[in-house]
Amino acid sequence: RKEVEQDPGPFNVPEGATVAFNCTYSNSASQSFFWYRQDCRKEPKLLMSVYSSGNEDGRFTAQLNRASQYISLLIRDSKLSDSATYLCVVNKGAQKLVFGQGTRLTINP
Amino acid sequence: DAMVIQNPRYQVTQFGKPVTLSCSQTLNHNVMYWYQQKSSQAPKLLFHYYDKDFNNEADTPDNFQSRRPNTSFCFLDIRSPGLGDAAMYLCATSPPAGLATYNEQFFGPGTRLTVL
Repeated sequence: RKEVEQDPGPFNVPEGATVAFNCTYSNSASQSFFWYRQDCRKEPKLLMSVYSSGNEDGRFTAQLNRASQYISLLIRDSKLSDSATYLCVVNKGAQKLVFGQGTRLTINP
Repeated sequence: DAMVIQNPRYQVTQFGKPVTLSCSQTLNHNVMYWYQQKSSQAPKLLFHYYDKDFNNEADTPDNFQSRRPNTSFCFLDIRSPGLGDAAMYLCATSPPAGLATYNEQFFGPGTRLTVL
């Protein structure tokens, strides 16, 4: 079983739609969780950290369910500029991160 | 602006010809990482440094070596590149443990390696 699993997509949605990604992780001892965004042929960039109580940053909402070892990202009112690959990332201790394969999102006009 | 810089951005080498990729940072972070990312795959950690303390991942091939002469610089040496080593190589940094952001990583733009 992979340490971090994501649906690779691709997700193709119209502009303005709401889209949700899910991710599961295998290490119950993980303490930190993140969503990174990676544009084509560019480096990953931190989108948001994920906190136990859930957190929101503008159109983006992240949720964590520790009991189910499940993380989600919701994007509301999607924009063309949201097209990217979204990486679910989990720490595995000692400042090491494990990356999911990524979910590819394309927003269509 | 504080940042992570990688040189070169694109590197072409021949099968078996040694190559060195470089990374520098102005963030003064004590942890530095090297990742390999192949197309449509997750970044895969090769090794990382806490200060000068080197930590190799168990499945990193011996063909990959690293040097960190000081806090700011880190190098990835590929001794005998094979066709399967063609990938994007990403350098990342992380601040010291104890800071609120210590688990976040800041990536350089990557070096795309082609092996002919």
